[in-house]
Amino acid sequence: RKEVEQDPGPFNVPEGATVAFNCTYSNSASQSFFWYRQDCRKEPKLLMSVYSSGNEDGRFTAQLNRASQYISLLIRDSKLSDSATYLCVVTGNAGKSTFGDGTTLTVKP
Amino acid sequence: EAQVTQNPRYLITVTGKKLTVTCSQNMNHEYMSWYRQDPGLGLRQIYYSMNVEVTDKGDVPEGYKVSRKEKRNFPLILESPSPNQTSLYFCATGDRFNEKLFFGSGTQLSVL
Repeated sequence: RKEVEQDPGPFNVPEGATVAFNCTYSNSASQSFFWYRQDCRKEPKLLMSVYSSGNEDGRFTAQLNRASQYISLLIRDSKLSDSATYLCVVTGNAGKSTFGDGTTLTVKP
Repeated sequence: EAQVTQNPRYLITVTGKKLTVTCSQNMNHEYMSWYRQDPGLGLRQIYYSMNVEVTDKGDVPEGYKVSRKEKRNFPLILESPSPNQTSLYFCATGDRFNEKLFFGSGTQLSVL
């Protein structure tokens, strides 16, 4: 079993749709959690940190459930520009970051 | 401007010819790391460094070396590259405990 598992996708949605990505992690000692966005063959860029209390940034909402070892990302009112691969990242206290394989989103007109 | 500079952007080489991919950051970050990205396998950590002269193996360190002699630089060295090291490589930096990673623009390496 992989340390970090994501919905494989791809997700193909129309503009304006709401889409949710899920991620689970196996190491209960993990300390920090993030969502990154990666456009084709380019460097990943931080989208959001993820906290147990949940956090929102415009159309994006991230949530962490430590008991279930589960992370989610919700995108509301999808835009064409949201098309990308979304990476779930889990970090331990020893500095090791583990990336999920990513979920590809395509938003269509 | 805060930057992570990775060079070269593209590299084609032959089996066994030593090469170095450079990574430099101007953000005074303690943490630096190298990843490789392959289709279907996602981003995998090769080596990371929590500070100067401190380096640790990631998930796939075999065939790679790193050094951290100064804070800003973290070169990735392939002493004897092989075709299975053909991949897209990313360097990343972060402040304490790699919160919020910043990535270089990547190096596409092809080993023939």
